[in-house]
Amino acid sequence: KNEVEQSPQNLTAQEGEFITINCSYSVGISALHWLQQHPGGGIVSLFMLSSGKKKHGRLIATINIQEKHSSLHITASHPRDSAVYICAVALIQGAQKLVFGQGTRLTINP
Amino acid sequence: GAGVSQTPSNKVTEKGKYVELRCDPISGHTALYWYRQSLGQGPEFLIYFQGTGAADDSGLPNDRFFAVRPEGSVSTLKIQRTERGDSAVYLCASSSGIWNEQYFGPGTRLTVT
Repeated sequence: KNEVEQSPQNLTAQEGEFITINCSYSVGISALHWLQQHPGGGIVSLFMLSSGKKKHGRLIATINIQEKHSSLHITASHPRDSAVYICAVALIQGAQKLVFGQGTRLTINP
Repeated sequence: GAGVSQTPSNKVTEKGKYVELRCDPISGHTALYWYRQSLGQGPEFLIYFQGTGAADDSGLPNDRFFAVRPEGSVSTLKIQRTERGDSAVYLCASSSGIWNEQYFGPGTRLTVT
């Protein structure tokens, strides 16, 4: 079993829909990251959080440490949001090396 | 300022050859990470540097892989006797400290034929 599990693996939605991507983990963490990867490979960090909730524009990330679960929400989705969204956790032990989920491929149709 | 840069962006090599992949971190970032991403998978940790020293190399798959960061800035990932299974995108990231956000480079796509 992977230490970081994301769901769904693939998600297709219509422009304007509210999107939720889930991440569950089984290890002790110091922080959780949400990353965005566009075709071609470039990775952009969206959020780093260790508790509560963060918001940036139409993106919202929440984390529940007790339940070892995080969600990434996109409001008023747009075709330019189409990308792979990756959840990654920083382990509590050792250096800040990241353990990544498999990613969720999001496609927003116009 | 400039972000993390990686060169080359693409590298095609024959099985058995030696390759070097370069990472230029954001200026002043003391922490540098190498990850490998196979097709359709999430990235996997390879090695982490704090300054010039490799603080954690537990992700290197075998002794054909080696990385250096001699002056605490630029890092080179070296792969000897490449195998087809080494084909992947090699990602570098840097941060201003181990508890801070990591900034990723565009990656080097390595193809071993």
